[in-house]
Amino acid sequence: DAGVIQSPRHEVTEMGQEVTLRCKPISGHDYLFWYRQTMMRGLELLIYFNNNVPIDDSGMPEDRFSAKMPNASFSTLKIQPSEPRDSAVYFCASSTTREQYFGPGTRLTVT
Amino acid sequence: GEDVEQSLFLSVREGDSSVINCTYTDSSSTYLYWYKQEPGAGLQLLTYIFSNMDMKQDQRLTVLLNKKDKHLSLRIADTQTGDSAIYFCAVAGGSNYKLTFGKGTLLTVNP
Repeated sequence: DAGVIQSPRHEVTEMGQEVTLRCKPISGHDYLFWYRQTMMRGLELLIYFNNNVPIDDSGMPEDRFSAKMPNASFSTLKIQPSEPRDSAVYFCASSTTREQYFGPGTRLTVT
Repeated sequence: GEDVEQSLFLSVREGDSSVINCTYTDSSSTYLYWYKQEPGAGLQLLTYIFSNMDMKQDQRLTVLLNKKDKHLSLRIADTQTGDSAIYFCAVAGGSNYKLTFGKGTLLTVNP
């Protein structure tokens, strides 16, 4: 299996623009997680899905952030409008048991 | 909420054993994990332990759990330069798939 796939790997955008991050989980995995990693706050869970349904979105920082999972093989995390403080590495992870497997991440820079 | 603490840095000589420590606050934590992150990469699951276990060994890795003190450790035997990375401790409750991560310990292995 190719593992968790994320795109793009790097994204540079200007403040106010919409940003969409994409994730393809490992085939057969029914849990999908979105994390954000920054130097100041470390790794934080933003939201997770089970069978395409959002289960816990308490980590989503504000209404500018939204996540969808239209089917078992695809999820998006959207930031609209983006702000410089959203600059971070965003990871997607998937699992079918208690073992979460992480993608390589998307490094987002908002100028 | 759950708090997970790790020391930030550890430096060892090649061939020595490394011990990375972690403490957590929630006594109901059921699954306890160790992840490894190399520069520019995602998180790699190394091993995890269920709370009814005291120890788990996997090749050069040994995980020790002291539930009374809420203390988790990862021992790497015969540490190699390729083990240089950031190591994250993470915990999860029994019914919740949400992982809470420590800030990570940067392990530096000197030749």
